[in-house]
Parts: sequence; structure tokens; C-alpha cells
Amino acid sequence: AQTVTQSQPEMSVQEAETVTLSCTYDTSESDYYLFWYKQPPSRQMILVIRQEAYKQQNATENRFSVNFQKAAKSFSLKISDSQLGDAAMYFCAYDYNNNDMRFGAGTRLTVKP
Amino acid sequence: NAGVTQTPKFQVLKTGQSMTLQCAQDMNHEYMSWYRQDPGMGLRLIHYSVGAGITDQGEVPNGYNVSRSTTEDFPLRLLSAAPSQTSVYFCASSYGGQTEAFFGQGTRLTVV
Repeated sequence: AQTVTQSQPEMSVQEAETVTLSCTYDTSESDYYLFWYKQPPSRQMILVIRQEAYKQQNATENRFSVNFQKAAKSFSLKISDSQLGDAAMYFCAYDYNNNDMRFGAGTRLTVKP
Repeated sequence: NAGVTQTPKFQVLKTGQSMTLQCAQDMNHEYMSWYRQDPGMGLRLIHYSVGAGITDQGEVPNGYNVSRSTTEDFPLRLLSAAPSQTSVYFCASSYGGQTEAFFGQGTRLTVV
């Protein structure tokens, strides 16, 4: 079974600083997709970034980037120039079998002004 | 631009009662899913559908039924509610496998 582990239940960052959220996963597959979702207090799940395993280049979306290490099965999220609006729960997710997406337990990010 | 709409947003049930959580999407997505979110456990897949008339079980299907008679709707039925089903439920839809999933705003269900 595929599992996703987020080892940091909580993280804190100063506004304008950079923070990295960790995610590791376990799989025997070679072709899959990885995601980071953000869940603010409104409870809405919002896609932050998506990575295809067969692409070696790390995905980037504005201030958000990933460090994808396929051999190590690691998929960390870096948030640069943190803003107060970045405060949320962040979930790492793995998707191999199309609709069977597996989520990590989440990391709660606090942004200090 | 409604996206994925879940109703109700909050519900309290007594043990043994049945109910249906509604989910509708207006994006003509083939894929739809139901997840439950519990503290410290992230989201877990209950059931999913890859198109009208096709459903399958996810990671935690026991105690729940689904059907998909139309592309737009994917209701989740609790047959006999138990306190262990107290959770936040999310419906999601996507254009295809491994593409971005769009989530509803969730239903907070409490079973007493």
C-alpha cells in the first residue's frame, strides 16, 4: 500500500522568510503524481502545486516550489517570501491509480508577522 | 462558477440513523470521489467513480454506499450511522486521473 508521511505536524515561519515542508512517500511504482494541497481555516482544499514523477524538473508556481527526489521518495514544498495568507494546513498527496489519492496527515503552518 | 457543491455543511445524527450527503459538480468531470478527514490522519478515500454508472471502493468504504446515475451527482449514503463516522466529509471531482482535484467545502458530520 502506498503511504505518505509528513513528519512535521506544525511549522512556523516569520513573514517574508522561507520555509520548507517535508513529505516522504512509499511506492513501488515508477509513474505517479504528487501534489501539495493547502487547507485554510475555511476548510476549502486548494491545489498548490503538482509534480509528475517522470519529469525530473522540479515544479514551480510563483513563490511555491518543490524539491522532488525520486530515488529518496521525497517531495518537499518550499514557500518563499511567506505571507500571512499562507497560514494553513498543508497536505502532501500521492496519486498512482488515477482516483486513489493518498494524503499525508498534514502540516499546520503558522506565519508570524 | 459553482464548482463542487456539497450539502449540508453541518449535520448531527443519532446512532443508527441514515442519511445522504449530496455532491454535485458543474464542470462535466468524469472522476468524482468522497473522502473523510479525521484529526491527525489527513484525508482518506471512501468511494470513487470514474464515470456515470461506475463506482469503486477506496481505503475506508465500510458503512457507506454510493451510486452515480448522472455525471453531475455523486451522493454518499450512511446506512446506519455510528459515532466512528463522526468526521468531515469532502467530495472532489477531476477531469481525469492524476489531474487537479476540485473539492467541495466539506460536511461536518457528528454522530451522537
